[in-house]
Amino acid sequence: GQNIDQPTEMTATEGAIVQINCTYQTSGFNGLFWYQQHAGEAPTFLSYNVLDGLEEKGRFSSFLSRSKGYSYLLLKELQMKDSASYLCAVMDSNYQLIWGAGTKLIIKP
Amino acid sequence: GAVVSQHPSWVICKSGTSVKIECRSLDFQATTMFWYRQFPKQSLMLMATSNEGSKATYEQGVEKDKFLINHASLTLSTLTVTSAHPEDSSFYICSARYGTETGELFFGEGSRLTVL
Repeated sequence: GQNIDQPTEMTATEGAIVQINCTYQTSGFNGLFWYQQHAGEAPTFLSYNVLDGLEEKGRFSSFLSRSKGYSYLLLKELQMKDSASYLCAVMDSNYQLIWGAGTKLIIKP
Repeated sequence: GAVVSQHPSWVICKSGTSVKIECRSLDFQATTMFWYRQFPKQSLMLMATSNEGSKATYEQGVEKDKFLINHASLTLSTLTVTSAHPEDSSFYICSARYGTETGELFFGEGSRLTVL
């Protein structure tokens, strides 16, 4: 079967760095997405990786290793507004998105 | 970025009534739109894929006759929850893919349905 694994919840301190991991097993691979979702709101796009390596976008970076079926989202200089759920999703060979359950990130002052 | 608008944001209805939710791509044409539902503290669950000009493709376990999907144009898809019951109360979210099959998904704002 297909599955996406990511931690349920993480806690970090304002100003610090946090890494949210995602491992996946899917039938085929056409890219991995990270989305941010604040409580009661729809997800917003953060990043898309289809090749191995690190993609940096401001305070957020996303890394992919296709051979390991592994990705992480790195958040630097954490701000209180970064408190949200972070969803990892993989596009399989049929271009269907397989969603992880999300990681709830709690930022403490 | 591209914009997807969903309406209404909130709806409260009585059990047994039907509710229609609209999803519009405002500045691009979307041949494919997706409908999700999300229960509290859970991830997105794909309900169906809506294709312009053809029937929607429903995921296993989703009742086609209960959740009617119509994709009448390249910018509009609607989800109608028929004969709603309290267990249908949930957060319904639509999304549209921009560009190619691997294009970015843009989400609507979501519609919170409460059935009394």
